[in-house]
Amino acid sequence: DVKVTQSSRYLVKRTGEKVFLECVQDMDHENMFWYRQDPGLGLRLIYFSYDVKMKEKGDIPEGYSVSREKKERFSLILESASTNQTSMYLCASGGGTANTGELFFGEGSRLTVL
Amino acid sequence: RKEVEQDPGPFNVPEGATVAFNCTYSNSASQSFFWYRQDCRKEPKLLMSVYSSGNEDGRFTAQLNRASQYISLLIRDSKLSDSATYLCVVNKEGFQKLVFGTGTRLLVSP
Repeated sequence: DVKVTQSSRYLVKRTGEKVFLECVQDMDHENMFWYRQDPGLGLRLIYFSYDVKMKEKGDIPEGYSVSREKKERFSLILESASTNQTSMYLCASGGGTANTGELFFGEGSRLTVL
Repeated sequence: RKEVEQDPGPFNVPEGATVAFNCTYSNSASQSFFWYRQDCRKEPKLLMSVYSSGNEDGRFTAQLNRASQYISLLIRDSKLSDSATYLCVVNKEGFQKLVFGTGTRLLVSP
């Protein structure tokens, strides 16, 4: 069974802390993505990567960075967490072309920043 | 204006009803279109792709109108298990970079 695994389901952090969200996929997909999902705003793309060591900014990259050292792993980093980064973070992977819309999502990491 | 717009609902329907959702997109250069389903507190999953000629998968029918820039999803003979949020998704670039609508919530009652 294909799987995208996010390291933490729930996290509580304090303002200013550094936060790492890890994501691993076992499908040998080239493409990996980080989204955040907020009520009324839907899923918004933070960063994506189409190859190892490659990364591209999505629509809301400010305050975030990413790392992709291995094909199966894509990490999201919040250098200095702020309360407006409280959200559900969803990692996804996909191996298709532009016209293949199937992304496989992890179960999400709910981050609360106090 | 949002790139992908959906009526948030909720749509409350009885079992067995037929229900339709529409979605509009703003970028006429959008290349491909999809419906995803997201259950409460779960991750989104692909329901079906949407093709220009329209396509059907069991009780689900998706249609695309490029001229008017809208996508529809029709669910026939609704089941309790269809209760979920349905996300309209558009790929506007030559890469797997998807834009998600905020979703339409469906509640099917006995």
